[in-house]
Amino acid sequence: DAGVTQSPTHLIKTRGQQVTLRCSPKSGHDTVSWYQQALGQGPQFIFQYYEEEERQRGNFPDRFSGHQFPNYSSELNVNALLLGDSALYLCASSPLGRDTGELFFGEGSRLTVL
Amino acid sequence: GDSVTQMEGPVTLSEEAFLTINCTYTATGYPSLFWYVQYPGEGLQLLLKATKADDKGSNKGFEATYRKETTSFHLEKGSVQVSDSAVYFCALWMDSSYKLIFGSGTRLLVRP
Repeated sequence: DAGVTQSPTHLIKTRGQQVTLRCSPKSGHDTVSWYQQALGQGPQFIFQYYEEEERQRGNFPDRFSGHQFPNYSSELNVNALLLGDSALYLCASSPLGRDTGELFFGEGSRLTVL
Repeated sequence: GDSVTQMEGPVTLSEEAFLTINCTYTATGYPSLFWYVQYPGEGLQLLLKATKADDKGSNKGFEATYRKETTSFHLEKGSVQVSDSAVYFCALWMDSSYKLIFGSGTRLLVRP
């Protein structure tokens, strides 16, 4: 049973560019959340998707947007990249109808903005 | 707003030493509390949890007790192993918030 898978694992962009990160949730999970983890810091909540809708959003600008597909997979898009967007982006999924804080995380996509 | 504060690392211990990593929280309601662990090269994974006051979470020899009176959830292990070397994150979850709030993490290094 595959866990949460993310792609790409590493990528390098320049300021002003746009990036798309992808996530496939664990089998049987319908809810996907995205977190940003800066170097040496704890993960910060970006947003959560459920039933293809953004259900909750953290304190991130509109440059961060997302999407969830009918198969529950998800994308995170970041426009007009800034140096400060360099971080590990984590995708997490949780089981159908269970919002308990028990999240399953992928290994992350490490974004470097030059 | 809700927040989690945990002791700064790195924490360096010899194998078989006793481990404590302090965690305190601020919350407007009654959160569930978690410890997640990030091993080198791996994703975050749930280590243990407690959902109400006085609950004790335990897993792999690690324990933490939900103390409402001191708003704390300290992680302990009686005898650490080299394989416990990782970054440990304390986190809280409020019902209907749909998000985990993490502390800044504590790196543990266990020497043989």
